[in-house]
Amino acid sequence: DAGVIQSPRHEVTEMGQEVTLRCKPISGHDYLFWYRQTMMRGLELLIYFNNNVPIDDSGMPEDRFSAKMPNASFSTLKIQPSEPRDSAVYFCASVKQYNEQFFGPGTRLTVL
Amino acid sequence: EDQVTQSPEALRLQEGESSSLNCSYTVSGLRGLFWYRQDPGKGPEFLFTLYSAGEEKEKERLKATLTKKESFLHITAPKPEDSATYLCAVQAPGAQKLVFGQGTRLTINP
Repeated sequence: DAGVIQSPRHEVTEMGQEVTLRCKPISGHDYLFWYRQTMMRGLELLIYFNNNVPIDDSGMPEDRFSAKMPNASFSTLKIQPSEPRDSAVYFCASVKQYNEQFFGPGTRLTVL
Repeated sequence: EDQVTQSPEALRLQEGESSSLNCSYTVSGLRGLFWYRQDPGKGPEFLFTLYSAGEEKEKERLKATLTKKESFLHITAPKPEDSATYLCAVQAPGAQKLVFGQGTRLTINP
């Protein structure tokens, strides 16, 4: 298995632009997590899905952030409009219930 | 609220110099405690899961132990390739999500 796949690996955009991050989880995994990592706040959980259904979005910082999982093999995290404080590394992770989470390589987002 | 505190924030060792990293946690029950390794520019990589006090797990030069309030990651005779950030996370019973600590940045000098 190729592991968790994220795209793009790097994204540089200007304030106010829409940003879409993509994730393909490991086949057969039934949970998908979106995290954000910064030096100041560490690794923070934004939202997670179970069988494509959002379960807990309490970590989503504000309405500018949205996430979808239209099917078992694809998820998106969208920021609209983006702001400089959204600059971070965004990770996607997938897991088969109660086992260890497998993380993707991350997307480094820079908002100018 | 579940909390995880890791210490020290950063640790620099000479090759072969053994030491331990600490992970203190407060959680309403504990289903599992997880250790991950993160290299620069990469996602966290799973190392161990510990489920109950007294449990120990080993992998090469690493050994993780668990008590009711903390976990230790012991590194024996480390090599430069062990340099990384080590993250600890806890999972409450019935929960899928993990709560992560800030990590310990470990540097092993040759």
